Amino acid sequence: KNEVEQSPQNLTAQEGEFITINCSYSVGISALHWLQQHPGGGIVSLFMLSSGKKKHGRLIATINIQEKHSSLHITASHPRDSAVYICAAFRDDKIIFGKGTRLHILP
Amino acid sequence: GAVVSQHPSRVICKSGTSVKIECRSLDFQATTMFWYRQFPKQSLMLMATSNEGSKATYEQGVEKDKFLINHASLTLSTLTVTSAHPEDSSFYICSARGHSAEAFFGQGTRLTVV
Repeated sequence: KNEVEQSPQNLTAQEGEFITINCSYSVGISALHWLQQHPGGGIVSLFMLSSGKKKHGRLIATINIQEKHSSLHITASHPRDSAVYICAAFRDDKIIFGKGTRLHILP
Repeated sequence: GAVVSQHPSRVICKSGTSVKIECRSLDFQATTMFWYRQFPKQSLMLMATSNEGSKATYEQGVEKDKFLINHASLTLSTLTVTSAHPEDSSFYICSARGHSAEAFFGQGTRLTVV
C-alpha cells in the first residue's frame, strides 16, 4: 500500500462541474502539497497545507490532520483545468508523491 | 511566489555522451534540492536529495556514479547523466526548498537518448 493514496485516478467531467480530488496518507507529515502537472510535464505548486483550508481563485484545498486526509476542489471547472493533479506529502526531509489524478474537462 | 528555473527543457543526446541539467532557485536560497525522475504516466520518483555543500543522498537503486549531483551553491544544483543510454530517456524534475517546508518545482527536462 502506498503511503500516499489519491482518488480517483482518472476523472472526466463537463465544463462547469465541481471537481473533488482526494488524498489520504498513512504517515505523519509536516505539510502537504497539491501540484498540477500539465501535458508538457511542467509542475506548478498549487497549495501547501499543514492545517485547515486554503483558497486561490477557483481552487480550494482542505486538510484534516486527524483523519490524514486532504481534498482539492475545483469550482466551475474549465477545459484549461485539464491536467494531472498530484498530492505530495512532506515527511522529514522527503516528499512522498501520490500517483496523481488525471483530470479531463470537456467543453 | 518563488521561482525555480530548470534548464534545458528538452535535450536529445547520443548514447554514451553525458548531459548536464541545471536547477536554479532565482529568488531564494535553496538549502535542499531534490531530483526526480518520471516515466510516462507514472508518479515522480525521488532520485536523490542534496543539501548545499554536502554530498547528495541517493535513493536505493539510483546509481550515484551515473547520476552525478552537485549542489555547490545555495542557488544552483546540477544533475549530470553520465554515459547516457536510451533507457535513461525520461523526464527529470528538480525541486528546491529553503528554510520553510514549501518546495518549488522546476519545469522539468525531457531527456531523449538516441
